[in-house]
Parts: sequence; structure tokens; C-alpha cells
Amino acid sequence: AQSVTQLGSHVSVSEGALVLLRCNYSSSVPPYLFWYVQYPNQGLQLLLKYTSAATLVKGINGFEAEFKKSETSFHLTKPSAHMSDAAEYFCAVSASNTGNQFYFGTGTSLTVIP
Amino acid sequence: EPEVTQTPSHQVTQMGQEVILRCVPISNHLYFYWYRQILGQKVEFLVSFYNNEISEKSEIFDDQFSVERPDGSNFTLKIRSTKLEDSAMYFCASSEQAVGGTDTQYFGPGTRLTVL
Repeated sequence: AQSVTQLGSHVSVSEGALVLLRCNYSSSVPPYLFWYVQYPNQGLQLLLKYTSAATLVKGINGFEAEFKKSETSFHLTKPSAHMSDAAEYFCAVSASNTGNQFYFGTGTSLTVIP
Repeated sequence: EPEVTQTPSHQVTQMGQEVILRCVPISNHLYFYWYRQILGQKVEFLVSFYNNEISEKSEIFDDQFSVERPDGSNFTLKIRSTKLEDSAMYFCASSEQAVGGTDTQYFGPGTRLTVL
């Protein structure tokens, strides 16, 4: 079975500082990993995904994530936070043996302090 | 850019009542999904739907739940007799394909269901 743990339900960073949102996964087979962002009153928008190609994945809005099998991690980073990055971020995992289900974490709310 | 839409944005109902949550997936997508998120908990998979039938469902998706694609655009989730524990945010999603879990699912903004 697959699962995801997001450490830190709330993260605050100063504008211009590094953003690091943590995601650890559990999977019995090679996983596929996704980061979604949700702005207020909007749907979940895909930021980036890992599907067994390059381990460093670049997404929209300057975000990237690195798949580290040895650490079972897929942390999301952005070098310099912008006020518009304030949102809820969800990590999700799927796998070839679980059909089309996505397994989500509980989400991390990012606050950017001016 | 095409997007998934959901109506209503907020639904309040009395326990035991039937509710229908509506979704319009992206037009060329073939796979449709419902997820829910109880406040403070994980987003959980409920059901996936393809070719006018359920392709997968979770343990949560019991006999109280049903899904339907009544026409060429809408995708609905019906809860026959709502319970207090059904209070949650319900997300609809769609994907163009479903290639062994790799295809991106596009999500709507959600419907917040409150059962009193």
C-alpha cells in the first residue's frame, strides 16, 4: 500500500527566503509522486510530478522537488518565497499496482511573511 | 485553460437527506474521480469512473454513495442518506488517461458539505 506523510501542517517563511515543504512516502513498488497547490476557493493545481524519469523535477512558479529513494522523500523547494506562494500544498503518491488512486498527505499551509 | 468545475461550492443538509454533488470534468478527459477531505485529515480517494462504470472504489464508498454521468458533461456524486460524518470537502477530478497511476489528475475547487 502507498501512503504519504507531510511533516509540518503549517510553515511560515519570510519573503525571499527558501521554501522547504517536506514529503515522505511509503510504497511497496516504485512510486509516482505529485505536488499540488491549492489557493483559496480554487481547485488543486499540479505543481510538478515524478514518474521515474529525472529525479530532480522542475515545476511551475519556480518550484522543484527531488526524488530520493534512499530517504523515501520528495521534498518541495523554492529558492525565494514570494507573497503569492501562500497556499495549501499537498503531496500525493500513486503506483502502477494501485490503479488510478492518488494517496494524499494532510497538506501543508504555507504563510509568507512580508 | 480548461478546468474542472463543481457546484455548489457549499451545501448544507439535514442528516438523513439525500444530496447530489455536481461536477463538470474537462471535456476531452475520459477518467473521473471523487475524493473527499474531512477537516484536518487527508484527502481520501472515493471512486474512479470510466466508460460509464465504476473502475475502482475505496472502502469509504459504500452503498450510501453512487456516481453517475447523466449526460455528456456532468459527473455526479449522490449520497442517499447523509450522516454527520459525511461532512467534508468533496473534490472531483478528471484525467485524460489513466496510465498505471502516472497521468495527472485535474481537480475542481471542491464542494463543502455540511451535515447538521
